[in-house]
This record gives sequence, C-alpha cells and structure tokens, in this order.
Amino acid sequence: DIQMTQSPSSLSASVGDRVTITCRASQNINKFLNWFQQQPGKAPRLLIYATSTLQSGVPSRFSGSGSGAHFTLIISSLQPEDSATYYCQQSYSTPRITFGQGTRLDIK
Amino acid sequence: EVQLVESGGGLVQPGGSLRLSCAASGFSFRSYEMNWVRQAPGKGPEWLSYISSSDGTIYYADSVKGRFTISRDNAKKSLYLEMNSLRADDTAVYYCARASVVPAGNNYYYYYMDVWGKGTTVTVSS
Repeated sequence: DIQMTQSPSSLSASVGDRVTITCRASQNINKFLNWFQQQPGKAPRLLIYATSTLQSGVPSRFSGSGSGAHFTLIISSLQPEDSATYYCQQSYSTPRITFGQGTRLDIK
Repeated sequence: EVQLVESGGGLVQPGGSLRLSCAASGFSFRSYEMNWVRQAPGKGPEWLSYISSSDGTIYYADSVKGRFTISRDNAKKSLYLEMNSLRADDTAVYYCARASVVPAGNNYYYYYMDVWGKGTTVTVSS
C-alpha cells in the first residue's frame, strides 16, 4: 500500500495567517492527490482533487500544489471556519486509495 | 440536492453481523462508482470497498476481505455493505462516498470522492 505522511500533525494559527500543510507519499503518485477537510462530527469534504483543482464551492483561499511524492495545501488567509482536520489522499492506486493521518488546524 | 444517506448502524456483539444501506438522491446513481469508507474514533478515514457503476467489479481492503460484502441496486438507488464476523476494531463511523473521475491523459483518470453521506455509527462491543 502507498503510505501518506502529513506534517505537521497539528498547528495553531491566527486569522489572516498563511497556512501550509505538507503531504508526502511513499512512492511517486504523479498528481493523483486529493485534499479533504473534516470538521468535528461531520463527513470529510473534498477541497481539492488532482493536486490543484479546486472543488466547486470551495473558497479560493485554498490551493494545492506538488507532484511526484511531495504535495502542499495552502490556505492563503486563514478564516475562523477553517478550523478543522485536513487529510491528503492518494488516488494513484485507485480504487485502493489511502489517506494521510491528518493535520489538525486550530485557530488561536 | 445531491445526497447520500446511510443507515443500519448500531451496537452489535463481537462475531455478529450488520447490513448498512446508503440511499442516493439528486444524481444518476447508476452512472457512478461507489465506495464505503470508515473512520474509527480519533483516526483518519480508511477505505473499505469499491463497486463499479455497472459491470460488477468489486474491491476490498485487506482488513475486511472475506468478512464484508458490498453490493448495489441501481433500480433502488442504493448501496449496501453486509458485515459479518464483526470485531471490536470494526467500531467506526461508516460512510458511503460517490466517486467521480476526470481524464488525466494517457488513458488515466483522476479519481476523487466528491459526495459523502453523514455516516452511520457501528459499535462492536459485548
């Protein structure tokens, strides 16, 4: 199985900050990488697919980049509603997809 | 409104069985591949099983292969997960998720789960 490793595991930032979350794959996955946001008690919500394509309805302050085995999710100006856990997920080995362990983002 | 609604979760003893259902609405269910994903308390999501839109192709994660069975009824717009020989580590919230694809070139496709239900909770305990 392809292992996905996120860093940091948790972080705290202030409203308006630029936040970066990193995801590394255990092998080359090209651009087959998706990002999800999950708020407590809710289902994961797709933010970005194919590394950098914003899902419909997702605010433009979210962006993704990378290729191969190194990917990043950037929130350009943090908002209070962005407090959540973020997961990367590889779809290279579809349908046997795997998720990262998550990055918990708190608002200071 | 595009929607998935899971049901069938509950408390079951170790070794017991449950059947989860997922009712789809607001989209052409028969046209989409579907998945079951679970999330144990405090853990990240774990993919469990996939079923194709129409040709019957099915895959399972090793953790549930031989114990869980995925199926669908396109006429009823419903997805199912039959779970047998349940263990304590099967305790989780179970989600159904719709899969969408876009071309990536060279006959490859970007695959992503764009619609999720709210989940149904399965607790395995004596």
